[in-house]
Amino acid sequence: DAKTTQPNSMESNEEEPVHLPCNHSTISGTDYIHWYRQLPSQGPEYVIHGLTSNVNNRMASLAIAEDRKSSTLILHRATLRDAAVYYCILITGANSKLTFGKGITLSVRP
Amino acid sequence: DTEVTQTPKHLVMGMTNKKSLKCEQHMGHRAMYWYKQKAKKPPELMFVYSYEKLSINESVPSRFSPECPNSSLLNLHLHALQPEDSALYLCASSQHPLAGEYEQFFGPGTRLTVL
Repeated sequence: DAKTTQPNSMESNEEEPVHLPCNHSTISGTDYIHWYRQLPSQGPEYVIHGLTSNVNNRMASLAIAEDRKSSTLILHRATLRDAAVYYCILITGANSKLTFGKGITLSVRP
Repeated sequence: DTEVTQTPKHLVMGMTNKKSLKCEQHMGHRAMYWYKQKAKKPPELMFVYSYEKLSINESVPSRFSPECPNSSLLNLHLHALQPEDSALYLCASSQHPLAGEYEQFFGPGTRLTVL
C-alpha cells in the first residue's frame, strides 16, 4: 500500500483556518485520498476524500496538488470540537482497505 | 439513518469466557469491517466482509471469529482471549467493498477488557 507522511502535531487558534498537510509521493493513479478524524473516546469519522480535483463538503475542503504527491485538508474555521487526530489515508480503487498511519494531532486553542 | 451501532459499549471478560460483539447498520452497505485499536495507536484492520462473505482476514488469531448473518449485521465472537487483546473494537461499513471512492462509516466501538 502507498504510504502517507504527516506531521505529528499542529496547533491552531479557534475560529482561524487550519491547513493539515499530507505527503504521498508514491501515490498511484487509482489511489483515492481519504481523510478521517478521531475525537477522543470516539470511533473514526469520515471527513472528505478525493481523487484528482479539489473537493469541498460541509466539514472541510481537500486541496490536491497537481502531481497528486501531496494534499492539504483545510478546516475553514477551527472550533474546539475539531481537536482530534486526523488521518490521511490512500485507498486504491480495487481495495477498500483503510490502513491508518499515526495521523496528525490537532490542538485548538480558545 | 447513517449510523453504525455497536453493542455492548463496554465488556469485561475472563480468559475462559465466550462473548460476542455486535455491529449493525441499516444503510444498505455491502461491506462491513472489524478494526482493533490499542490505546494511543491507530486502528488496525482485522476482517473485511464483502456481500456477507469474508474477503479479508488480516492474519487474526482464531480466538477471534467473525460472522455476518445478514447484510445488516456483523458479529465478532470471542473465545479464550488474552489480556493483550484488551482494546477498542471498531466496526465500520461502506457502500461497496472494493471501491476507494466510498467512505467508511464507523461505529463508536466496544471497549473490551480481558482479565
